[in-house]
Amino acid sequence: DSGVTQTPKHLITATGQRVTLRCSPRSGDLSVYWYQQSLDQGLQFLIQYYNGEERAKGNILERFSAQQFPDLHSELNLSSLELGDSALYFCASSVRRDAEAFFGQGTRLTVV
Amino acid sequence: GIQVEQSPPDLILQEGANSTLRCNFSDSVNNLQWFHQNPWGQLINLFYIPSGTKQNGRLSATTVATERYSLLYISSSQTTDSGVYFCAVGIGNFNKFYFGSGTKLNVKP
Repeated sequence: DSGVTQTPKHLITATGQRVTLRCSPRSGDLSVYWYQQSLDQGLQFLIQYYNGEERAKGNILERFSAQQFPDLHSELNLSSLELGDSALYFCASSVRRDAEAFFGQGTRLTVV
Repeated sequence: GIQVEQSPPDLILQEGANSTLRCNFSDSVNNLQWFHQNPWGQLINLFYIPSGTKQNGRLSATTVATERYSLLYISSSQTTDSGVYFCAVGIGNFNKFYFGSGTKLNVKP
Protein backbone atom coordinates (compact mmCIF):
# COMPACT_ATOMS: atom_id res chain seq x y z
CA ASP A 1 0.00 0.00 0.00
CA SER A 2 1.58 3.25 -1.19
CA GLY A 3 -0.50 5.43 1.13
CA VAL A 4 -2.03 7.32 -1.80
CA THR A 5 -5.76 6.71 -2.06
CA GLN A 6 -7.76 7.13 -5.25
CA THR A 7 -11.50 6.83 -5.62
CA PRO A 8 -13.36 5.40 -7.35
CA LYS A 9 -11.35 2.41 -8.58
CA HIS A 10 -13.58 1.90 -11.60
CA LEU A 11 -15.91 4.24 -13.43
CA ILE A 12 -18.08 3.62 -16.45
CA THR A 13 -19.84 6.57 -18.01
CA ALA A 14 -21.31 7.72 -21.30
CA THR A 15 -19.87 10.10 -23.85
CA GLY A 16 -20.60 13.74 -23.10
CA GLN A 17 -20.75 13.20 -19.35
CA ARG A 18 -18.62 14.72 -16.61
CA VAL A 19 -16.80 12.81 -13.85
CA THR A 20 -14.65 13.68 -10.85
CA LEU A 21 -11.72 11.58 -9.72
CA ARG A 22 -10.45 12.00 -6.19
CA CYS A 23 -6.99 11.59 -4.71
CA SER A 24 -5.83 11.67 -1.10
CA PRO A 25 -2.03 11.99 -0.90
CA ARG A 26 0.18 10.34 1.67
CA SER A 27 0.15 12.05 5.04
CA GLY A 28 2.56 14.99 4.94
CA ASP A 29 2.99 15.05 1.16
CA LEU A 30 2.45 18.48 -0.36
CA SER A 31 2.91 17.64 -4.04
CA VAL A 32 0.19 15.90 -6.03
CA TYR A 33 0.60 14.76 -9.63
CA TRP A 34 -1.98 13.41 -12.09
CA TYR A 35 -1.17 11.03 -14.92
CA GLN A 36 -3.15 9.39 -17.69
CA GLN A 37 -2.24 5.95 -18.98
CA SER A 38 -3.90 4.91 -22.20
CA LEU A 39 -2.97 1.95 -24.37
CA ASP A 40 -1.44 3.94 -27.20
CA GLN A 41 0.09 6.84 -25.24
CA GLY A 42 1.82 5.33 -22.26
CA LEU A 43 1.95 7.33 -19.03
CA GLN A 44 1.33 11.00 -19.73
CA PHE A 45 1.83 13.77 -17.18
CA LEU A 46 -1.28 15.91 -16.82
CA ILE A 47 -0.81 18.40 -14.01
CA GLN A 48 0.96 19.00 -10.69
CA TYR A 49 -0.03 20.86 -7.55
CA TYR A 50 2.09 21.87 -4.61
CA ASN A 51 0.45 22.95 -1.37
CA GLY A 52 -2.71 24.05 -3.14
CA GLU A 53 -1.12 25.83 -6.09
CA GLU A 54 -0.77 24.63 -9.65
CA ARG A 55 2.93 24.23 -10.42
CA ALA A 56 3.27 22.40 -13.72
CA LYS A 57 1.06 21.47 -16.62
CA GLY A 58 1.52 18.71 -19.11
CA ASN A 59 -0.67 17.40 -21.86
CA ILE A 60 -3.93 18.22 -20.14
CA LEU A 61 -6.93 18.90 -22.35
CA GLU A 62 -9.03 22.03 -21.86
CA ARG A 63 -11.97 19.74 -21.01
CA PHE A 64 -10.00 18.55 -17.98
CA SER A 65 -9.35 20.56 -14.84
CA ALA A 66 -7.96 19.87 -11.41
CA GLN A 67 -7.53 21.46 -8.04
CA GLN A 68 -5.88 20.78 -4.71
CA PHE A 69 -7.85 21.65 -1.62
CA PRO A 70 -6.61 23.08 1.73
CA ASP A 71 -6.59 19.58 3.23
CA LEU A 72 -4.27 18.65 0.31
CA HIS A 73 -6.59 16.18 -1.37
CA SER A 74 -6.97 16.70 -5.09
CA GLU A 75 -9.70 16.24 -7.65
CA LEU A 76 -9.44 15.78 -11.39
CA ASN A 77 -12.54 16.81 -13.31
CA LEU A 78 -13.11 15.40 -16.77
CA SER A 79 -15.96 16.87 -18.83
CA SER A 80 -17.56 16.34 -22.26
CA LEU A 81 -16.09 12.87 -22.17
CA GLU A 82 -15.09 11.13 -25.38
CA LEU A 83 -14.35 7.48 -26.10
CA GLY A 84 -10.67 8.34 -26.31
CA ASP A 85 -10.65 9.50 -22.69
CA SER A 86 -10.96 5.88 -21.58
CA ALA A 87 -7.78 5.24 -19.62
CA LEU A 88 -6.23 4.53 -16.26
CA TYR A 89 -5.81 7.77 -14.30
CA PHE A 90 -3.14 7.85 -11.63
CA CYS A 91 -2.48 10.23 -8.83
CA ALA A 92 0.93 10.43 -7.16
CA SER A 93 2.27 12.38 -4.23
CA SER A 94 5.64 13.36 -2.82
CA VAL A 95 6.77 15.32 0.21
CA ARG A 96 8.78 17.83 -1.82
CA ARG A 97 9.63 18.49 -5.41
CA ASP A 98 12.63 16.21 -5.75
CA ALA A 99 11.55 13.47 -3.38
CA GLU A 100 10.35 10.00 -4.21
CA ALA A 101 6.84 9.93 -5.66
CA PHE A 102 4.30 7.29 -4.68
CA PHE A 103 1.37 6.31 -6.88
CA GLY A 104 -2.17 5.41 -6.02
CA GLN A 105 -3.80 2.31 -7.49
CA GLY A 106 -5.48 4.35 -10.22
CA THR A 107 -9.00 4.96 -11.43
CA ARG A 108 -9.97 2.98 -14.50
CA LEU A 109 -12.31 5.13 -16.57
CA THR A 110 -14.34 3.59 -19.35
CA VAL A 111 -16.35 5.88 -21.62
CA VAL A 112 -19.05 4.10 -23.61
CA GLY B 1 11.07 18.13 -23.88
CA ILE B 2 13.20 15.41 -22.35
CA GLN B 3 13.39 12.03 -24.06
CA VAL B 4 13.29 8.89 -21.93
CA GLU B 5 14.09 5.70 -23.80
CA GLN B 6 13.86 2.23 -22.35
CA SER B 7 15.29 -0.95 -23.77
CA PRO B 8 14.50 -3.62 -24.59
CA PRO B 9 10.78 -3.01 -25.20
CA ASP B 10 9.98 -6.69 -24.64
CA LEU B 11 11.82 -9.42 -22.79
CA ILE B 12 11.00 -13.09 -22.32
CA LEU B 13 12.96 -15.00 -19.70
CA GLN B 14 12.98 -18.46 -18.27
CA GLU B 15 12.50 -18.56 -14.53
CA GLY B 16 15.88 -18.26 -12.80
CA ALA B 17 17.51 -16.16 -15.50
CA ASN B 18 19.08 -12.74 -14.98
CA SER B 19 18.33 -9.59 -16.96
CA THR B 20 19.36 -5.96 -17.37
CA LEU B 21 16.92 -3.20 -18.31
CA ARG B 22 18.20 0.14 -19.51
CA CYS B 23 16.87 3.68 -19.32
CA ASN B 24 18.50 6.51 -21.27
CA PHE B 25 17.50 10.13 -20.78
CA SER B 26 18.39 13.17 -22.81
CA ASP B 27 18.84 15.90 -20.18
CA SER B 28 19.86 16.50 -16.58
CA VAL B 29 17.30 15.25 -14.08
CA ASN B 30 16.39 15.96 -10.48
CA ASN B 31 15.57 12.37 -9.74
CA LEU B 32 14.92 9.01 -11.30
CA GLN B 33 12.63 6.21 -10.23
CA TRP B 34 12.01 2.65 -11.36
CA PHE B 35 8.52 1.18 -11.12
CA HIS B 36 6.96 -2.20 -11.71
CA GLN B 37 3.45 -2.21 -13.07
CA ASN B 38 1.82 -5.49 -12.16
CA PRO B 39 -0.90 -7.21 -14.21
CA TRP B 40 -3.55 -5.42 -12.14
CA GLY B 41 -2.18 -2.05 -13.22
CA GLN B 42 -0.67 -1.03 -9.90
CA LEU B 43 2.57 0.97 -10.06
CA ILE B 44 4.96 -0.30 -7.42
CA ASN B 45 8.02 1.68 -6.40
CA LEU B 46 11.24 -0.23 -6.90
CA PHE B 47 13.97 2.36 -6.57
CA TYR B 48 14.39 6.06 -6.07
CA ILE B 49 17.85 6.49 -7.54
CA PRO B 50 18.94 9.88 -8.92
CA SER B 51 22.52 8.62 -8.78
CA GLY B 52 24.58 5.73 -7.47
CA THR B 53 23.72 2.11 -6.84
CA LYS B 54 21.06 0.50 -4.67
CA GLN B 55 20.06 -3.07 -3.99
CA ASN B 56 16.86 -4.60 -2.71
CA GLY B 57 16.87 -8.38 -2.62
CA ARG B 58 17.13 -9.78 -6.13
CA LEU B 59 16.83 -6.33 -7.68
CA SER B 60 19.48 -3.67 -7.97
CA ALA B 61 19.78 -0.41 -9.86
CA THR B 62 22.54 1.91 -10.94
CA THR B 63 22.21 5.45 -12.24
CA VAL B 64 25.10 7.27 -13.89
CA ALA B 65 23.68 10.78 -14.03
CA THR B 66 26.68 12.28 -15.81
CA GLU B 67 26.20 9.81 -18.67
CA ARG B 68 22.40 10.01 -18.52
CA TYR B 69 21.45 6.40 -18.06
CA SER B 70 20.16 4.01 -15.47
CA LEU B 71 20.17 0.22 -15.31
CA LEU B 72 17.84 -2.14 -13.48
CA TYR B 73 19.17 -5.62 -12.76
CA ILE B 74 16.88 -8.52 -12.00
CA SER B 75 18.56 -11.70 -10.81
CA SER B 76 17.09 -15.19 -10.47
CA SER B 77 13.86 -14.01 -12.04
CA GLN B 78 10.52 -15.40 -10.86
CA THR B 79 7.15 -15.54 -12.58
CA THR B 80 5.91 -12.85 -10.19
CA ASP B 81 8.46 -10.47 -11.75
CA SER B 82 6.35 -10.38 -14.91
CA GLY B 83 4.81 -7.07 -15.84
CA VAL B 84 6.00 -3.76 -17.21
CA TYR B 85 9.00 -1.94 -15.80
CA PHE B 86 9.01 1.85 -16.11
CA CYS B 87 11.73 4.35 -15.65
CA ALA B 88 10.59 7.89 -14.76
CA VAL B 89 12.69 11.03 -14.51
CA GLY B 90 11.87 14.28 -12.77
CA ILE B 91 12.94 17.60 -14.28
CA GLY B 92 12.53 21.30 -13.70
CA ASN B 93 11.82 23.42 -10.68
CA PHE B 94 8.77 21.42 -9.73
CA ASN B 95 10.02 18.01 -10.76
CA LYS B 96 7.68 17.22 -13.63
CA PHE B 97 7.88 13.45 -14.07
CA TYR B 98 8.39 11.90 -17.49
CA PHE B 99 8.01 8.17 -18.07
CA GLY B 100 9.72 5.93 -20.54
CA SER B 101 7.62 3.61 -22.67
CA GLY B 102 8.48 0.65 -20.47
CA THR B 103 9.98 -2.82 -20.77
CA LYS B 104 7.42 -5.62 -20.82
CA LEU B 105 8.86 -8.64 -19.02
CA ASN B 106 7.40 -12.12 -19.25
CA VAL B 107 9.00 -14.74 -17.00
CA LYS B 108 8.05 -18.29 -17.97
CA PRO B 109 8.05 -21.16 -15.47
